[in-house]
Amino acid sequence: GAVVSQHPSWVICKSGTSVKIECRSLDFQATTMFWYRQFPKQSLMLMATSNEGSKATYEQGVEKDKFLINHASLTLSTLTVTSAHPEDSSFYICSAGTGGELNTEAFFGQGTRLTVV
Amino acid sequence: GQNIDQPTEMTATEGAIVQINCTYQTSGFNGLFWYQQHAGEAPTFLSYNVLDGLEEKGRFSSFLSRSKGYSYLLLKELQMKDSASYLCAVSDSNYQLIWGAGTKLIIKP
Repeated sequence: GAVVSQHPSWVICKSGTSVKIECRSLDFQATTMFWYRQFPKQSLMLMATSNEGSKATYEQGVEKDKFLINHASLTLSTLTVTSAHPEDSSFYICSAGTGGELNTEAFFGQGTRLTVV
Repeated sequence: GQNIDQPTEMTATEGAIVQINCTYQTSGFNGLFWYQQHAGEAPTFLSYNVLDGLEEKGRFSSFLSRSKGYSYLLLKELQMKDSASYLCAVSDSNYQLIWGAGTKLIIKP
């Protein structure tokens, strides 16, 4: 199956700093990438959807100025958590698809566990 | 609104069979997915149903009834490694995935 690589797999940062998470589709062109956040024992929560070359669409309640998403190429999307705070500590997961009716399977990255201290 | 319902937790015995149900109410339907998620890991794809009926894939099978807004995931010959959360997700009219909260499956020896 298709491979999506997410990096780093875990990161610890100080409160007030920024953290960048990368999501790469290794063997296909991902026109659409999705960023999720998952708190312990809870389901996935979609944060935003990004299409290559255009601005990301954020879900209600997600601060676009805090969670910066860039999808500059068909194989790379990045999520930057700016001015991180302890409440941003969570498991962040990206997924990629070919978009539209072809997106019959969302390929997930390995996830990034962010801890803000 | 859009809603996906599945049981919060189920317990089964090693070697047995378990059925995890999922009911949905969404704006449009473009397929239903089942994913397995082990603690601390990202979900992995198990199955996709877009037409009514049963799809069998090894020890796992998935069933869909669009008229009833209902699906189930059937796991046979349960193994301890099957202990995980199982997520049901529906692709709506905009091809956006709507996620259920997941069913935590506990396998006992």
